[in-house]
Amino acid sequence: NAGVTQTPKFQVLKTGQSMTLQCAQDMNHEYMSWYRQDPGMGLRLIHYSVGAGITDQGEVPNGYNVSRSTTEDFPLRLLSAAPSQTSVYFCASSYRAGATDTQYFGPGTRLTVL
Amino acid sequence: DQQVKQNSPSLRVQEGRISILNCDYTNSMFDYFLWYKKYPAEGPTFLISISSIKDKNEDGRFTVFLNKSAKHLSLHIVPSQPGDSAVYFCAARSTNAGKSTFGDGTTLTVKP
Repeated sequence: NAGVTQTPKFQVLKTGQSMTLQCAQDMNHEYMSWYRQDPGMGLRLIHYSVGAGITDQGEVPNGYNVSRSTTEDFPLRLLSAAPSQTSVYFCASSYRAGATDTQYFGPGTRLTVL
Repeated sequence: DQQVKQNSPSLRVQEGRISILNCDYTNSMFDYFLWYKKYPAEGPTFLISISSIKDKNEDGRFTVFLNKSAKHLSLHIVPSQPGDSAVYFCAARSTNAGKSTFGDGTTLTVKP
């Protein structure tokens, strides 16, 4: 049971490039989400999904796209990278979207945009 | 407007003593609160939670207290151990919206 996995661990992009951050979970969780963490700040929700085929925007969705074609995978796409997107990105999953459902986080992807 | 605030960016305590981490919230709709622990280069891990129908929840060395009238919660760690050194995030949810709102975190350092 690998839990929540994220690839890559580190990535450097130039302004304007696009890329996809991968996230997968093997716990058959319905709810998956993406957060970003900037230095000295908490985690801010980018996008989330309550099940395959269903996605919605979080607090800071601009510049990011997501899709959920399977229960296991929830990739995050940066359409045209900007320096303001330099951050650490965490993917999380939980059994459902209920308030008491424990979220499990991946190890994070550290992204630098030059 | 930040809905969940952790006003102390850092806290240093001696091994064996009590660590008290504080968190304030502004949204009255929040009814479930969580603490996460984060080590460097790792993702956050769930530590302990409390529902708004309770005012205290204990799990081993960790106790969370909730004061709804003050919109304040705190995490007590007794006794503190060097392995507790990490960033602690407070998070809040409302039952009808499973999304979590996080505070900025408090870095706890426990000195041997």
